Amino acid sequence: GAVVSQHPSWVICKSGTSVKIECRSLDFQATTMFWYRQFPKQSLMLMATSNEGSKATYEQGVEKDKFLINHASLTLSTLTVTSAHPEDSSFYICSASRTGAGWGYGYTFGSGTRLTVV
Amino acid sequence: AQSVTQLGSHVSVSEGALVLLRCNYSSSVPPYLFWYVQYPNQGLQLLLKYTSAATLVKGINGFEAEFKKSETSFHLTKPSAHMSDAAEYFCAVSFVRGYQKVTFGTGTKLQVIP
Repeated sequence: GAVVSQHPSWVICKSGTSVKIECRSLDFQATTMFWYRQFPKQSLMLMATSNEGSKATYEQGVEKDKFLINHASLTLSTLTVTSAHPEDSSFYICSASRTGAGWGYGYTFGSGTRLTVV
Repeated sequence: AQSVTQLGSHVSVSEGALVLLRCNYSSSVPPYLFWYVQYPNQGLQLLLKYTSAATLVKGINGFEAEFKKSETSFHLTKPSAHMSDAAEYFCAVSFVRGYQKVTFGTGTKLQVIP
């Protein structure tokens, strides 16, 4: 149980276009999902916390107009990189926590999306 | 503020040798601590977690970690390394209650030498 599906795994887009990344909890409901960005050989940096039915909470320094997050249901959150530029190229990972679970449950991560902007 | 420090960005061990990956935490309240493993171009997989119960935590793939409050440490160990253990390992911390934010360490890349 506790599977998070992230799609697509790889995406190459042209500079100036927008890209949508989906994060789905397949067998559980997730009130809260998290979006991370990982640069090569670096750790994960939390970009934003996505809450079902409300606005996302962005970390300091993350442009909310560039990284649009929508959490329309208890099983789906999307991250849209708008007007992508080469500096947005990175590995994006989502995670989710089972709704109502205690802290001991931990988080389940998606398999990540490698975004390359050319 | 909470944080974790992983000592050593790269660790090399021989196959069959002890694996020891170090993690120290800083938290103003009782922490929850996690170890995750990441294989190339993949997401993170939870190895084990400390949630204020037993201080010695056993995880998957033969890994274990011990929470030592006096040393503010949560080191990851495995008695005998396998080639398949070669990956990146991340230590992470979260508060016991309330805020759900998880803070990750910078990661340790484990190399297993045949």
